[in-house]
Amino acid sequence: QVQLVQSGAELKKPGASVRVSCKASGYTFTTSYIHWVRQAPGQGLEWLGWINPGIGETKYPRKFQGRVTMTRDTSITTAFMELNSLSFDDTAIYFCARVPLRGEVSWGQGTLVTVSS
Amino acid sequence: FMLTQPRSLSESLGKTVIISCTRSSGRIASNYVQWFQQRPGSSPLTVIYEDNQRPSGVPDRFSGSIDSSSNSASLTISGLKTEDEADYYCQSYDSGNWVFGGGTKLTVL
Repeated sequence: QVQLVQSGAELKKPGASVRVSCKASGYTFTTSYIHWVRQAPGQGLEWLGWINPGIGETKYPRKFQGRVTMTRDTSITTAFMELNSLSFDDTAIYFCARVPLRGEVSWGQGTLVTVSS
Repeated sequence: FMLTQPRSLSESLGKTVIISCTRSSGRIASNYVQWFQQRPGSSPLTVIYEDNQRPSGVPDRFSGSIDSSSNSASLTISGLKTEDEADYYCQSYDSGNWVFGGGTKLTVL
């Protein structure tokens, strides 16, 4: 079955960067997009962008362009999301999601990123 | 465009509830709508994809539809159970970008 296992919680200072990983299994890694979504405490879902693991193409919303970078390593079927210049507002749970061309989205378990001085 | 959902809804055990998701511009039928359920402390779970398709393992009490006349999508949950109490998010696409509704908190009385 499809599984997405994310890296553990992170505590960062303002201005730092964070890198979250998402290890995929149970399907052919290069055939489904990986999206990243975050959820601030008590808030709704916010989309951060996607990566096509097959060719490495990425797309980010304007809000995060220049601050987020998504990459992948096909040899270990893992996607990465790096967010830099962190501020307190970036404190959130970050989720990866597998999005096939047809069919339902599968989600990782989430990674808590806390930005604190 | 934006997707607008009611902030909260409450309904009694065993009853039926309909959660709406209205698209502000462009046709609702232009892009697929998905619905995610999120229980407290858990990741989202897909309950409806491609407007009205239900993943295996999701009870048939959950159904999705779109209505072009109101430019909205709906998630219907019938025979409400306590386990249905959760936040529900609709999601669609805008030129490859994901757009989320603000979420609806469903309380089962």
